[in-house]
Parts: sequence; structure tokens; C-alpha cells
Amino acid sequence: DQQVKQNSPSLSVQEGRISILNCDYTNSMFDYFLWYKKYPAEGPTFLISISSIKDKNEDGRFTVFLNKSAKHLSLHIVPSQPGDSAVYFCAAMNSGYSTLTFGKGTMLLVSP
Amino acid sequence: SQTIHQWPATLVQPVGSPLSLECTVEGTSNPNLYWYRQAAGRGLQLLFYSVGIGQISSEVPQNLSASRPQDRQFILSSKKLLLSDSGFYLCAWSGVAPGGTEAFFGQGTRLTVV
Repeated sequence: DQQVKQNSPSLSVQEGRISILNCDYTNSMFDYFLWYKKYPAEGPTFLISISSIKDKNEDGRFTVFLNKSAKHLSLHIVPSQPGDSAVYFCAAMNSGYSTLTFGKGTMLLVSP
Repeated sequence: SQTIHQWPATLVQPVGSPLSLECTVEGTSNPNLYWYRQAAGRGLQLLFYSVGIGQISSEVPQNLSASRPQDRQFILSSKKLLLSDSGFYLCAWSGVAPGGTEAFFGQGTRLTVV
């Protein structure tokens, strides 16, 4: 049973436009959510996180939105740049258990 | 600042040989430590996690084991590798940062079992 789902395996966006990456979760015990960016043959790089007590967190071009009632979060990248092309992983955590559960990832391709 | 070291970066091992991947963390104490494997189409799969020295939890049955001999050292091992153990292995740690809980990954080890 997949507790964290990223239903879009890939996304193509033009440079300068907005990229929206979506993530759904099923476990209501998750109280912390993180986004990671990963290039091939490298470890994931932490991007941004959000606690369940918030509905929005912004860091530069990256904004994460959390809709707890829908068990849905999204990562917005504005404006998108070719260097943003990578696989993006959504992760969820029950801070009491301290383990991360990841989605399968979405490959973002930003074209010039 | 906290850093995480994972080695080796690549490894080619014959079937039936032993395995030892090492991960160390600097700049933090009593971290939660993790081993993940990235498999095609399955994202990042948690293999083991540890909340303290000698405390290991296994998430999936497999041919691998983990040990934490020191607070900031986490080792992934196998006595006899299988072809199916090939993959990209990632060590990670998590801790509390000013912005909240964060988790950081090592650069990964590409293991090829031949």
C-alpha cells in the first residue's frame, strides 16, 4: 500500500513558466512533509518542507502548499529554469516515528 | 554545519561476495540514520533506520543487514550478495533544524552485482 503517491511520473514545462508538482498521502498520522530534488547518480537534495500546522511555506522560487483535508500537497516552482530539470520526490513523516516515506518521484523537464 | 559522508561511490561485486557500505555524519549528535535504496519505478525505499547506537529497525525483509557501532556511523552489510541487490543505495540522517525537521542524504553508492 503506497502511502505517498506522486501520480505524475513526468512533467514538461517551458522556461519561465510555473511548474506544479503534486503529491497525495493516505496516512493521517503524517505531520511533516518534505520535497527533494535528485539528479542522476546523486543523493537527493532537500528543497523545502512544511509542517502540518501550516498550509503554505515559501523559499525563493519554491512554494509548498498543504491541504490537510484533501491529504494533498504541491510544490510550485516559479519561474521554472532549465537547471530545475530533475526528479522531485515528495516525502512524508510522522515525527513521532522519525521515518520518511517517499513517493515514486516526478521527473521535471524544463525546456528553454 | 552537518555533513554526511557515504562511500564508496561505486562498487562492482561478484555474486556471493560480502558487502560493506559505510556512512558517517558530522556536526550533529544522536541523529536518526537511514539506509534507502532507489529502485526503478519504486522511488526511494527505506531499508533500515536507527534512532541510536545498536538500535536497528528493518523495514523490508532482504539479504541485507545494518549496524550502528557508533553514534554517527551506520553500516550496510551483506554476507553474500545476490544479483537482485544491485541498485543505488543512499544513507540519510534527520534532525531538528531552525525551520523544522530536515533530512539530508549522502551522495549514494551505485552497487552492481555481477
